[in-house]
Amino acid sequence: AQSVTQPDIHITVSEGASLELRCNYSYGATPYLFWYVQSPGQGLQLLLKYFSGDTLVQGIKGFEAEFKRSQSSFNLRKPSVHWSDAAEYFCAVSMMNNQGGKLIFGQGTELSVKP
Amino acid sequence: EAGVAQSPRYKIIEKRQSVAFWCNPISGHATLYWYQQILGQGPKLLIQFQNNGVVDDSQLPKDRFSAERLKGVDSTLKIQPAKLEDSAVYLCASSLGRGLGETQYFGPGTRLLVL
Repeated sequence: AQSVTQPDIHITVSEGASLELRCNYSYGATPYLFWYVQSPGQGLQLLLKYFSGDTLVQGIKGFEAEFKRSQSSFNLRKPSVHWSDAAEYFCAVSMMNNQGGKLIFGQGTELSVKP
Repeated sequence: EAGVAQSPRYKIIEKRQSVAFWCNPISGHATLYWYQQILGQGPKLLIQFQNNGVVDDSQLPKDRFSAERLKGVDSTLKIQPAKLEDSAVYLCASSLGRGLGETQYFGPGTRLLVL
């Protein structure tokens, strides 16, 4: 069955440090992959998505993600974290349903930023 | 461009009561989704509409949950009767189409607490 795993429930980094959030997926076909961010009391905002082509994808707010088919991974990175990046991050894969697509989400990684 | 609107933002009810949530998608978006997000988990799709028809309701507990999207625009999700385990954030999202790679835009959610 299709699934998304985010191994880290909670990560704390210092402001200015680099960040990598892990995501592994299980999907038989070529995956469509997404990273969303959810700030407290807010809905989910799309950071970036991967469909095909260049395996390094650039997103908003200085985030990037790299698709590695051999490792079934789509890890999110940022070179220098800002305090405003503290939020919950969700990785998702799009799978087919009735000629359309639906998102399967991981359980999320909560990011805390130390001053 | 206005985003996805949801109301109410918060609701507290007692078990066995009924409750309804409303969603207004982004103008022109044909596909509308309702997700349930239990604390500490990623969102789970409950039901997906294409215009006013149901595309996927495989994970909707149909004995107590119902949803409609009259006229293919606004949507209402109802729970009757509510159970303690229904405490969650209910997220509405919309997308232009329903393809695999469609970007879904999320509303702020309705936080439900069942006592």
